[in-house]
Amino acid sequence: ETGVTQSPTHLIKTRGQQVTLRCSSQSGHNTVSWYQQALGQGPQFIFQYYREEENGRGNFPPRFSGLQFPNYSSELNVNALELDDSALYLCASSLGGIGTYGYTFGSGTRLTVV
Amino acid sequence: SQELEQSPQSLIVQEGKNLTINCTSSKTLYGLYWYKQKYGEGLIFLMMLQKGGEEKSHEKITAKLDEKKQQSSLHITASQPSHAGIYLCGADDPLDSNYQLIWGAGTKLIIKP
Repeated sequence: ETGVTQSPTHLIKTRGQQVTLRCSSQSGHNTVSWYQQALGQGPQFIFQYYREEENGRGNFPPRFSGLQFPNYSSELNVNALELDDSALYLCASSLGGIGTYGYTFGSGTRLTVV
Repeated sequence: SQELEQSPQSLIVQEGKNLTINCTSSKTLYGLYWYKQKYGEGLIFLMMLQKGGEEKSHEKITAKLDEKKQQSSLHITASQPSHAGIYLCGADDPLDSNYQLIWGAGTKLIIKP
């Protein structure tokens, strides 16, 4: 299967709840990174996973955590949701840590926290 | 830390006209990426530039990286409604242990019929 698939496409959660977002990487890509994009802004790097280990993290608190599975699918978990967590969450897969061969992005999950 | 500044922030262009979007980096660029985003959707890869002076074209879109590798431009010739969207430049740095992509804030392009 080609391309990156994210689920769900839209989600509404209440402040304080927990959420899990899922990403299925492009076939053969061993690296996945997650980004948060607020309205009208560029994406902000959350973290990156390579061969099931986190190997890079942006300026996000520990309540943002992730997992990468042997089949290269991954999850983004956010605990104790805050209103400011409302954003488009994007995952991107690539071959290797640096995007020498480019990054393939999913269509994103739109999270709304109320 | 590296920062990318895009200009203009938004652009309204008559269909058929040419346009240019710029991306300026605060540090020398290693890899510069151009992506297009429809409102609220994922990013579509356009082009990647790595070498100073490099120029790549795809259909009516041409991207260039200057010799000093601190500025890139995206030029669209004879714009069409399908070109409308948000154009984002991103950069990565092999010396950045976080392996992250840094992004500009985007340029919103509207094509007037």
